[in-house]
Amino acid sequence: GDSVTQMEGPVTLSEEAFLTINCTYTATGYPSLFWYVQYPGEGLQLLLKATKADDKGSNKGFEATYRKETTSFHLEKGSVQVSDSAVYFCALRPPLGGNKLVFGAGTILRVKS
Amino acid sequence: DTAVSQTPKYLVTQMGNDKSIKCEQNLGHDTMYWYKQDSKKFLKIMFSYNNKELIINETVPNRFSPKSPDKAHLNLHINSLELGDSAVYFCASSQNLASQETQYFGPGTRLLVL
Repeated sequence: GDSVTQMEGPVTLSEEAFLTINCTYTATGYPSLFWYVQYPGEGLQLLLKATKADDKGSNKGFEATYRKETTSFHLEKGSVQVSDSAVYFCALRPPLGGNKLVFGAGTILRVKS
Repeated sequence: DTAVSQTPKYLVTQMGNDKSIKCEQNLGHDTMYWYKQDSKKFLKIMFSYNNKELIINETVPNRFSPKSPDKAHLNLHINSLELGDSAVYFCASSQNLASQETQYFGPGTRLLVL
């Protein structure tokens, strides 16, 4: 079945460090791919998305590129801030099947000042 | 204005009780969802409704019964609560079932079963 695998956390970085959170997926066909962010005590917010191979999603300094050849959608940011501390979820939406999202396990990011 | 709202935010109850969580969206969306997030932060879809009709039911125990009185509301009723039901429940909505539509999430309801 469809699944998403994320790197385990927590990831702890100093402010202004470079961030990579790995995400790989297994799916039939061509899914849409997403990164959602959950700040402490809040619900999930869409961070960025990509709907076809080689698309790059970007928002708030975060980027991720849909790589079909490696079935990956790694999240990157050049310089993290303390306010980026949150849980980051990679997710896919299968091309068929009622618009459900399949989430990875989430990666906790902690940024220290 | 809150796009997707849930009530209550916190719910503490005893095993065996019956409880409901309400969800409302003011985005004019056709499709609504319930997700469960367990203690390890793992998120999994439970149900989705489109125009008040059940679309997805991910082998959730029949103690869980979603009810959609209209397109703007999707409530979750849970009978005979068990310890394992303790989790954060998120409601979400999207414009429709089309594959390009973003899902918008509510703030979550933190359920603790004692």
